[in-house]
Amino acid sequence: AQSVTQLDSQVPVFEEAPVELRCNYSSSVSVYLFWYVQYPNQGLQLLLKYLSGSTLVKGINGFEAEFNKSQTSFHLRKPSVHISDTAEYFCAVTPTNAGKSTFGDGTTLTVKP
Amino acid sequence: NAGVTQTPKFQVLKTGQSMTLQCAQDMNHNSMYWYRQDPGMGLRLIYYSASEGTTDKGEVPNGYNVSRLNKREFSLRLESAAPSQTSVYFCASTRTANEQFFGPGTRLTVL
Repeated sequence: AQSVTQLDSQVPVFEEAPVELRCNYSSSVSVYLFWYVQYPNQGLQLLLKYLSGSTLVKGINGFEAEFNKSQTSFHLRKPSVHISDTAEYFCAVTPTNAGKSTFGDGTTLTVKP
Repeated sequence: NAGVTQTPKFQVLKTGQSMTLQCAQDMNHNSMYWYRQDPGMGLRLIYYSASEGTTDKGEVPNGYNVSRLNKREFSLRLESAAPSQTSVYFCASTRTANEQFFGPGTRLTVL
């Protein structure tokens, strides 16, 4: 079984400031890690994923995340946010041998002018 | 290539009524999922289907049934709707243990 904890439920930030959304996970098996973004009144879409290889992964819209196996974390970062980044962000893990995904409760990012 | 489609987009039911939410994907994915999303609770898995012909319960299956009609379609049925089932319902599909592709959601209100 696995669990995902998103450490901040809401993150307000000013436009052009850097942001970090934190995600910790626990699992008894190897997992793949994902970040999804949900804009208002839409479904979720993939932001980035870690399957293997380099622990720093880059995604769409200038986001990146770093997989830290020892700390079981997968924090999402962006050096300079835009108003259009206002959305809800979900961290998720999936066992590498297939099976059900587990999602965190989400972090609402609000970018203010 | 439409991805994952869901119907209807909105629905209002009275307590005790039944309805079926439809989901279809055109990506030839093996696995399909039904989630519900409630404020502050993230996504909770209702049922999933690892492959055509199989279905399994997720975290919150009570009050729901599913049918994997074929590889493309996975429907969710509420036999007797209750106000606690007011939520946004998302269908998703995936080929392997990789990213999930989500539909646009169905907003259901049960009065």
